[in-house]
Amino acid sequence: AQKVTQAQTEISVVEKEDVTLDCVYETRDTTYYLFWYKQPPSGELVFLIRRNSFDEQNEISGRYSWNFQKSTSSFNFTITASQVVDSAVYFCARSGGGADGLTFGKGTHLIIQP
Amino acid sequence: DVKVTQSSRYLVKRTGEKVFLECVQDMDHENMFWYRQDPGLGLRLIYFSYDVKMKEKGDIPEGYSVSREKKERFSLILESASTNQTSMYLCATSNAGLRETQYFGPGTRLLVL
Repeated sequence: AQKVTQAQTEISVVEKEDVTLDCVYETRDTTYYLFWYKQPPSGELVFLIRRNSFDEQNEISGRYSWNFQKSTSSFNFTITASQVVDSAVYFCARSGGGADGLTFGKGTHLIIQP
Repeated sequence: DVKVTQSSRYLVKRTGEKVFLECVQDMDHENMFWYRQDPGLGLRLIYFSYDVKMKEKGDIPEGYSVSREKKERFSLILESASTNQTSMYLCATSNAGLRETQYFGPGTRLLVL
């Protein structure tokens, strides 16, 4: 299986700090998609972003930004000026050419302390 | 907005019981998925379905079966529940094409005693 690795199991920062969540993926596919999801304590996974393998432009949405680098097979997620409401587990995932849905990383538990 | 609902948020069952977990979506999506989520293991795909009456095994189908009699409903069945099936179960849906964004339900936390 083509893995997705989120090496940071848990990160704890103080509110207003910037924080980056790392994601490294394996792929043998030319075409694939990468995703980030947020899982707050309520449990529901909330979709944040989807990128395709042909689009390496970085994306910014408010305090969130994503850095996609094919050369290093990474798709990192940065939260600027973190807030307590950002506390959650964040999952990186990929889909590829096979009939196997999404492959998820194991998640990074982000704790924002007031 | 995509709405994915799951029949129960919390469920307690006994070993050997037959368990049904229901998922319903209101967006006319073709694809539906069942994952389980365990600490330290992330989400793992159990089964998925491209269309009515159609199903495909995911990464960990053993001990589970599924049913999709109507497009909007996808059921996960534990034929004889075991304690190692205690987990959080998440249903997801997406439009046609496996690369489409998946939208998740709120999850069912199942405890098997």
